[in-house]
Amino acid sequence: QKEVEQNSGPLSVPEGAIASLNCTYSDRVSQSFFWYRQYSGKSPELIMSIYSNGDKEDGRFTAQLNKASQYVSLLIRDSQPSDSATYLCAPYTGTASKLTFGTGTRLQVTL
Amino acid sequence: EPEVTQTPSHQVTQMGQEVILRCVPISNHLYFYWYRQILGQKVEFLVSFYNNEISEKSEIFDDQFSVERPDGSNFTLKIRSTKLEDSAMYFCARARSANYGYTFGSGTRLTVV
Repeated sequence: QKEVEQNSGPLSVPEGAIASLNCTYSDRVSQSFFWYRQYSGKSPELIMSIYSNGDKEDGRFTAQLNKASQYVSLLIRDSQPSDSATYLCAPYTGTASKLTFGTGTRLQVTL
Repeated sequence: EPEVTQTPSHQVTQMGQEVILRCVPISNHLYFYWYRQILGQKVEFLVSFYNNEISEKSEIFDDQFSVERPDGSNFTLKIRSTKLEDSAMYFCARARSANYGYTFGSGTRLTVV
């Protein structure tokens, strides 16, 4: 079983719609979860972190975590063309430990 | 926070040559990492560096790789004898503390010919 699984996409949503990105992970000791956005040819950029079960909102982004189901998601409301990128999920297991990335989901926001 | 600076942004090298990739992180950060991303593939962990020592390394990080923080500021990744399959984007990352997430540098694109 892969450590982090994401649908590679592309996920295509019209401008203004809600984009829903999902991630499952296998390591039950994962404490925190980070969502990174990566534009083509650029480095990953941290956009959200979540540590507890439930929802966390930051502007147009909402991260949802369910540790019992080993599932984390990212919702992007009012999607914009500038949101078109690859979104990477990364569980974090403890102090100074590495981040293990999924393959990422490529999001395309269409006009 | 200020970005993590990586140099060079692009390096082309011949197979078998040694390359040194540099990262200039914030001096008060304790945790440093190197990752790589082969074109079209996922971001892969190479090595973590904590308190001036390697704390973890992946199976990719074999004897041809080494890391140093020679002057207490710059953080380097050396590839001793490059192979074609080493062609990738190499990212340095740093963390101020464990739960803040990691900030990635702008990356070095390494092309081995």
